[in-house]
Amino acid sequence: DIQMTQSPSSLSASVGDRVTITCRASQKISKYLNWYQQKPGKAPDLLIYAASSLQSGVPSRFSGSRSGTDFTLTISSLQPEDFATYYCQQSYSSPPTFGQGTRLEIK
Amino acid sequence: EVQVVESGGGLVQPGRSLRLTCTISGFTFGDYAMSWVRQVPGKGLEWIGLLRSESFGGTTEHAASVNGRFTMSRDDSKGVAYLQMNSLKTEDTGVYYCTRLNCSSISCYTTYYYMDVWGKGTTVTVSS
Repeated sequence: DIQMTQSPSSLSASVGDRVTITCRASQKISKYLNWYQQKPGKAPDLLIYAASSLQSGVPSRFSGSRSGTDFTLTISSLQPEDFATYYCQQSYSSPPTFGQGTRLEIK
Repeated sequence: EVQVVESGGGLVQPGRSLRLTCTISGFTFGDYAMSWVRQVPGKGLEWIGLLRSESFGGTTEHAASVNGRFTMSRDDSKGVAYLQMNSLKTEDTGVYYCTRLNCSSISCYTTYYYMDVWGKGTTVTVSS
């Protein structure tokens, strides 16, 4: 199975900050990397698919990029509603696997 | 409104069975593959399995951790998908999500999907 490693595991930031979360795949996954946001007690929501495609309805402050097997989720200017846990997930190879999550907290 | 709604969770003893139902609305069910994902409270997300659309034979794939115990099926005429869980173990405890799969490539069969619609989840507790 492909292992997905997110960093950091947790992060404290302030409203208005620019935040970057990284996800590294243990082997090649091409562009097939998705990002989800999960708020406490809620189901995950899709943010980004295929590394950099923004899901419909997701604010443009969210963006994704790829460099080889390293993927980045960037939030350009944190809003209060962005404090949540973020997961990456590869869909290049079965079984699809998730990163362990990055918890974004208010500083 | 596009949505999926899970039901059927509850408290069950180890070794017993439970069937979860995923009811869809707002989209043509037959056009989509579906998957199930679970989450142990306070932990991360684990893919359980994939249920292809009828155009791909409605075939399934399962995670190794549930292979041989869990079975997925669908009834497109009713707009429902099922997760039959047999021989339940305490480690199967968690919130179970039904998700719609969309394709991020020219063609998807097993891979290249993303989960674009999630239900709110249903809780399964396996305990004596």
